[in-house]
Amino acid sequence: EVQLVESGGRLVQPGGSLRLSCAASGFTFSSSAMSWVRQAPGKGLEWVSTITGSGGSTDYADSVKGRFTISRDNSKNTLYLQMNSLTAEDTALYYCAKDLYEEILDPIFAQWGQGTLVTVSS
Amino acid sequence: NFMLTQPHSVSESPGKTVTISCTRSSGNIATNYVQWYQQRPGRAPTTVIYADNQRPSGVPDRFSGSIDSSSNSASLTISGLKTEDEADYYCQSYDISNHGVFGGGTKLTVL
Repeated sequence: EVQLVESGGRLVQPGGSLRLSCAASGFTFSSSAMSWVRQAPGKGLEWVSTITGSGGSTDYADSVKGRFTISRDNSKNTLYLQMNSLTAEDTALYYCAKDLYEEILDPIFAQWGQGTLVTVSS
Repeated sequence: NFMLTQPHSVSESPGKTVTISCTRSSGNIATNYVQWYQQRPGRAPTTVIYADNQRPSGVPDRFSGSIDSSSNSASLTISGLKTEDEADYYCQSYDISNHGVFGGGTKLTVL
């Protein structure tokens, strides 16, 4: 059974940084592209970033490009999202998602984690 | 870039069939796969349809997806509605730059 468990979300001040993690199990982690998707309180879903199975290619939404960095450690079956220069608009529940493909960046989400909450406020 | 437009809400009675539309604002709907995600209140999303019309294992065949190039839209059809189908449903595709695009979501009420 595929399991995705996010962690690292907390209250952070504007301008601060945070690193989210997603521990994966139940599948061959290195054979799946992975993504982050967020959902602001009471709002819809927003794609944030995708990384290929090898980690060789990444892509970002314009709203986070230059501030967020997606990465993965295939030896630890863990996905990361480094978030810098955070603003109130980044406040959201951040979901980790297993993509359909391995080395293609087309974001098609097959399984989802339960999410971790990031709150940016002073 | 393009937008995906969904009705804000739909409602139908148990046992009936409901269809939720998702219209692409520009470019051909058939260019990139369309997915549908179900999100029950307070829960994480789950995938009910991927690649236009494919059902993940475990998703009942009451759920089906299709695309219509004439209306440039995708549709999610749920037949034999159950109260447990009450949820928000999001369509999703991606653009030429592989950037994910979500519809605004449709609240399905089963009453």
